[in-house]
Amino acid sequence: QSALTQPASMSGSPGQSITISCTGTSSDVGGFNYVSWYQQHSGKAPKLMIFDVNKRPSGVSDRFSGSKSGNTASLTISGLQAEDEADYHCTSYTSGSTWVFGGGTKLTVL
Amino acid sequence: QVQLQESGPGLMKPSQTLSLTCSVSSGSISSGSYYWTWIRQPAGKGLEWIGRIHTTGRTTYNPSLNSRVTISLDTSKNQFSLSLNSVTAADTAVYYCARGMSAFDLWGQGTMVTVSS
Repeated sequence: QSALTQPASMSGSPGQSITISCTGTSSDVGGFNYVSWYQQHSGKAPKLMIFDVNKRPSGVSDRFSGSKSGNTASLTISGLQAEDEADYHCTSYTSGSTWVFGGGTKLTVL
Repeated sequence: QVQLQESGPGLMKPSQTLSLTCSVSSGSISSGSYYWTWIRQPAGKGLEWIGRIHTTGRTTYNPSLNSRVTISLDTSKNQFSLSLNSVTAADTAVYYCARGMSAFDLWGQGTMVTVSS
């Protein structure tokens, strides 16, 4: 199984919106609605931000939203804040009953 | 609230077998229909799914590691374990245990494992 494709880095200014993409295949992202997104601050464990493509766990800000079109999933962060600076990882369930992650995206808030 | 905590050796030599344990507290590992999962992250790189075990004991592994990995469940101790044999420097990473169903909603803090001669 090949890793999902994410941009290595992105940046935005406070208050702006950014969208991080996560591209897979019909055997993972395109085939299942089990895409999730994780925020990871430096030296910390990942934190679940979006699950089942577009659902937010309790306690996660509604500035975070998810979507999917074909083989590409997206995480949108609106009203960027300094605390959003972190690495973001996507993952998807696969046709092999396994999970595959993307390479991660480093988000910088300018 | 359920919490996860990894424990393991820290430093290993090539060709040895890595053994890690994830202790589950404030909740039973047998309750619910969860998958108990191992994930790792080499320094400066992305996450890699290693494998999982269901509360029924059924396992699934990453095909790239399948021949070297075993995940087991010990309900009496409320913990699950990872065994990875024939380790090399490429297995150096932070290893996380996590709880999953359609996503990984709970994570341990991670434990660093370094493989070096």
